[in-house]
Amino acid sequence: DAGITQSPRYKITETGRQVTLMCHQTWSHSYMFWYRQDLGHGLRLIYYSAAADITDKGEVPDGYVVSRSKTENFPLTLESATRSQTSVYFCASVSGLGRYEQYFGPGTRLTVT
Amino acid sequence: GQNIDQPTEMTATEGAIVQINCTYQTSGFNGLFWYQQHAGEAPTFLSYNVLDGLEEKGRFSSFLSRSKGYSYLLLKELQMKDSASYLCAVYNQGGKLIFGQGTELSVKP
Repeated sequence: DAGITQSPRYKITETGRQVTLMCHQTWSHSYMFWYRQDLGHGLRLIYYSAAADITDKGEVPDGYVVSRSKTENFPLTLESATRSQTSVYFCASVSGLGRYEQYFGPGTRLTVT
Repeated sequence: GQNIDQPTEMTATEGAIVQINCTYQTSGFNGLFWYQQHAGEAPTFLSYNVLDGLEEKGRFSSFLSRSKGYSYLLLKELQMKDSASYLCAVYNQGGKLIFGQGTELSVKP
């Protein structure tokens, strides 16, 4: 019972490079979310998805791209990484079937140099 | 606009009771969540309130007043392992949560 996993757990990249963070859940949950967590800002929603092939912007979507071709996967891509994107990224999911609590992955700590 | 306020830091003594407050002003409201987050870890679900009143779950209780835009998390019989950040989040629409900045709770012996 893996639940929700993220990879990589740690990543260091250079400014301008493309980076993809992976998120995989084994529950077949409908909704999936990407957050970033920074000191002084709390958790901020980047993108979310209500189902496969349905995605929408959250509070801070600029510089990020998502896709959801399969229910269980929700990758987040930084097209051209910037230092301001140094953060901890969390993926989350919720079943949407009368249950609303979100379950979070372990997080990816990304450093952009 | 969306605004969720909680104290930044709190300190309490082991064995005591602590109350963490959260006030909110959001354009939509479908319930309020509390999450616990230990340093370096992911948030974990503690409670969900959608109706006014108190929900009790072991040492943790959560209260909601929708008319006042107010909630609190009550932690009883504090233990050292309760030292963590506590996040208040409003469930808006479409499954989206709006988070407060979190309250860092330090439990001292």
